[in-house]
Amino acid sequence: GDSVTQMEGPVTLSEEAFLTINCTYTATGYPSLFWYVQYPGEGLQLLLKATKADDKGSNKGFEATYRKETTSFHLEKGSVQVSDSAVYFCALSSNTGNQFYFGTGTSLTVIP
Amino acid sequence: GAGVSQSPSNKVTEKGKDVELRCDPISGHTALYWYRQSLGQGLEFLIYFQGNSAPDKSGLPSDRFSAERTGGSVSTLTIQRTQQEDSAVYLCASSFVHLGAYNEQFFGPGTRLTVL
Repeated sequence: GDSVTQMEGPVTLSEEAFLTINCTYTATGYPSLFWYVQYPGEGLQLLLKATKADDKGSNKGFEATYRKETTSFHLEKGSVQVSDSAVYFCALSSNTGNQFYFGTGTSLTVIP
Repeated sequence: GAGVSQSPSNKVTEKGKDVELRCDPISGHTALYWYRQSLGQGLEFLIYFQGNSAPDKSGLPSDRFSAERTGGSVSTLTIQRTQQEDSAVYLCASSFVHLGAYNEQFFGPGTRLTVL
């Protein structure tokens, strides 16, 4: 079945460091891919998405490119800030079903 | 516009009691999902509603869990005879379905359930 596997955390980085959180997926058909973020004490919110191969989603300095050849959707940011500290979830929506599949989440802590 | 709302925000109950959790989706969103997020865990899918179709209950962990959605809007998740392992944050999400395509989900703030 469809699934998402993302990098285990926790991840701790210094401010202005480069961030990569790996995400790979298994799906039939052509899924849409998402990154959600959960800030401390808040609900999940959409960070970015890509709906077809080679699309790049971007928001708040974060980027992720839908790579069909490697079935990946890695999240990157060139220079993290303390305010980026949160839990990040990779997710997919399969176009053959009605479910969303979420990864287990990666906790990021950015220290000044 | 208003987002997804959930109530209560926190619920503490005793083992064996029943609890009801409520979700108000975004107006016009036909798809509604319930998830469970346990401490340090990812999101566990529980149940899904889409329009007037029969709900997808494949994620419900036991027959103590049930959910309904009245009038295609508000949903209630009921847990009967609660157990300590039911302690978690219960998240509701809604999404807009257009031409069969499922768009991103909008999440509520969650209900934190603690079973003593």
